[in-house]
Amino acid sequence: AQSVTQLGSHVSVSEGALVLLRCNYSSSVPPYLFWYVQYPNQGLQLLLKYTSAATLVKGINGFEAEFKKSETSFHLTKPSAHMSDAAEYFCAVKETSGSRLTFGEGTQLTVNP
Amino acid sequence: GAVVSQHPSWVICKSGTSVKIECRSLDFQATTMFWYRQFPKQSLMLMATSNEGSKATYEQGVEKDKFLINHASLTLSTLTVTSAHPEDSSFYICSAPPAGVYNEQFFGPGTRLTVL
Repeated sequence: AQSVTQLGSHVSVSEGALVLLRCNYSSSVPPYLFWYVQYPNQGLQLLLKYTSAATLVKGINGFEAEFKKSETSFHLTKPSAHMSDAAEYFCAVKETSGSRLTFGEGTQLTVNP
Repeated sequence: GAVVSQHPSWVICKSGTSVKIECRSLDFQATTMFWYRQFPKQSLMLMATSNEGSKATYEQGVEKDKFLINHASLTLSTLTVTSAHPEDSSFYICSAPPAGVYNEQFFGPGTRLTVL
């Protein structure tokens, strides 16, 4: 079964600093990988997805992620944090067949002024 | 973009009553919808997969007689929490991939259930 591990349940950065949220996956075949953001009491919004095309994926709001097969990682980055980036972030993996997603435990991002 | 709605957005009920939550795909058809439960400060846990015109598939440990799922049309799935108890209080989220699309899902805004 596929699984996702997000290192760090809480990450705190200063406004303008680099954001790095870590995600590692376990899969026997190249998976589809996703990053979602969740604001309080809301559903999930897709930030970006990797579907076996380019390994560097650019998403919305200035976020990007790089798929590294050798490291089984899909870390999310943003060069300069904004206060509005404070939210919960989830990494998810999907098998190449079907639509079922498996989510990581989530990382709460805090942005300090 | 594709939109998924949920109704109600929040509900408070007494212990022992049943609550129905609707999940609708507004501008696309979905033969499959997913229902998740999310406890505070935790991740989304898949409860069941709703299949249009057939029985839902439940994850291990989820009581199918307590969480009734009906997917009567290509745009509507309902989750009914029967005889709700305080431990059922949670945030319930649905998602749907457009029919024939397997690498993207669209999530509803969630329903906050509080059982007194």
